[in-house]
Amino acid sequence: TQLLEQSPQFLSIQEGENLTVYCNSSSVFSSLQWYRQEPGEGPVLLVTVVTGGEVKKLKRLTFQFGDARKDSSLHITAAQPGDTGLYLCAVRYSGAGSYQLTFGKGTKLSVIP
Amino acid sequence: ETGVTQTPRHLVMGMTNKKSLKCEQHLGHNAMYWYKQSAKKPLELMFVYSLEERVENNSVPSRFSPECPNSSHLFLHLHTLQPEDSALYLCASSQHIQGFNEKLFFGSGTQLSVL
Repeated sequence: TQLLEQSPQFLSIQEGENLTVYCNSSSVFSSLQWYRQEPGEGPVLLVTVVTGGEVKKLKRLTFQFGDARKDSSLHITAAQPGDTGLYLCAVRYSGAGSYQLTFGKGTKLSVIP
Repeated sequence: ETGVTQTPRHLVMGMTNKKSLKCEQHLGHNAMYWYKQSAKKPLELMFVYSLEERVENNSVPSRFSPECPNSSHLFLHLHTLQPEDSALYLCASSQHIQGFNEKLFFGSGTQLSVL
């Protein structure tokens, strides 16, 4: 059974602060995606990472894929109230059913103005 | 606007009722999905359809019955639900079901409460 853990579960910070959230898997995965879900809405894809050690940037968001392909982090610089939401990581494992995405429970971020 | 529309947004039903959730995608995608999102649990994949053929049923109770009449529409028929079925039901679509780079586009969900 593959386990996907996200930490922290909850995070409340002041506007302008930096933060990092983490996603860790018990097994190697072939690709990882980060989604953001705002209250009352469905998740929206932020990024897909597929290469070990890969780093991607999306404005103030920096995504890193671990070298061993078992972990990833999302760093937000100078957080804004608009960054508030549930951040979900989702991975695909190789093998049968590889089209299935396994989601973590998410990190709920609140950015206080 | 993600191109995936779900109705209704909210639904309250009794345990003896029959209701249906509707999902429509305007993206020309070939794959559609139903997910269940409960508090303190990860998103759970319920059903997967590819080109209107069901390819996955993740041990979902028979009181949930999916229907995919064409590649743009997906329904979830509900009957004799239990209070523990209360959750946010999300529909999603993707261009294909395979591929490590495949992106999911989600609707806004139906918040279901079973009394």
